[in-house]
Amino acid sequence: SQKIEQNSEALNIQEGKTATLTCNYTNYSPAYLQWYRQDPGRGPVFLLLIRENEKEKRKERLKVTFDTTLKQSLFHITASQPADSATYLCALDPSYNQGGKLIFGQGTELSVKP
Amino acid sequence: GAVVSQHPSRVICKSGTSVKIECRSLDFQATTMFWYRQFPKQSLMLMATSNEGSKATYEQGVEKDKFLINHASLTLSTLTVTSAHPEDSSFYICSASRPGFSNQPQHFGDGTRLSIL
Repeated sequence: SQKIEQNSEALNIQEGKTATLTCNYTNYSPAYLQWYRQDPGRGPVFLLLIRENEKEKRKERLKVTFDTTLKQSLFHITASQPADSATYLCALDPSYNQGGKLIFGQGTELSVKP
Repeated sequence: GAVVSQHPSRVICKSGTSVKIECRSLDFQATTMFWYRQFPKQSLMLMATSNEGSKATYEQGVEKDKFLINHASLTLSTLTVTSAHPEDSSFYICSASRPGFSNQPQHFGDGTRLSIL
């Protein structure tokens, strides 16, 4: 069956450390993968998109990798801050670049302690 | 600022009531919008794809007669939960992407918290 799985446990780290979140998928061949941030009671906010031919993408303190062999994406936040505390969702388009609809992982709740 | 607006943000109503939720794209025309539902501590589950000027496409297991979708203009899609019951209580979120390539990121509304008593 098709699945997208993220770290099921909440991630607690100390301010200043690097947070690493994992997204694994099964029986999909996505053309790209996206990462979103969701705060309680709010809609998701887009962070980064990485295409299948890209190994790594960076934006300020954020870095995403995409390994199509392992079927895995890693999301890193360097020099983490308490304001980074939120739930992070990975998502992919199951229809290979058609239509734009997204299937989401269950999310990883990140808590950054001062 | 927000590019997708959703209204209302919260609804509390009695069982059997029909509830309409609006989703507007504010600064671009969206021929396609998406409706998701999210239960507490769970991920977003895609309910349907809203297509401007044509019928919505529903995901497997989503009752189209229960969740009516209308996309009458390029900036507005509505979701009506008909004869809502307590099990329909959830967080409903819409999204849209700017026209262009299909791998554009989705812009999400801030959701509607629906509580059926």
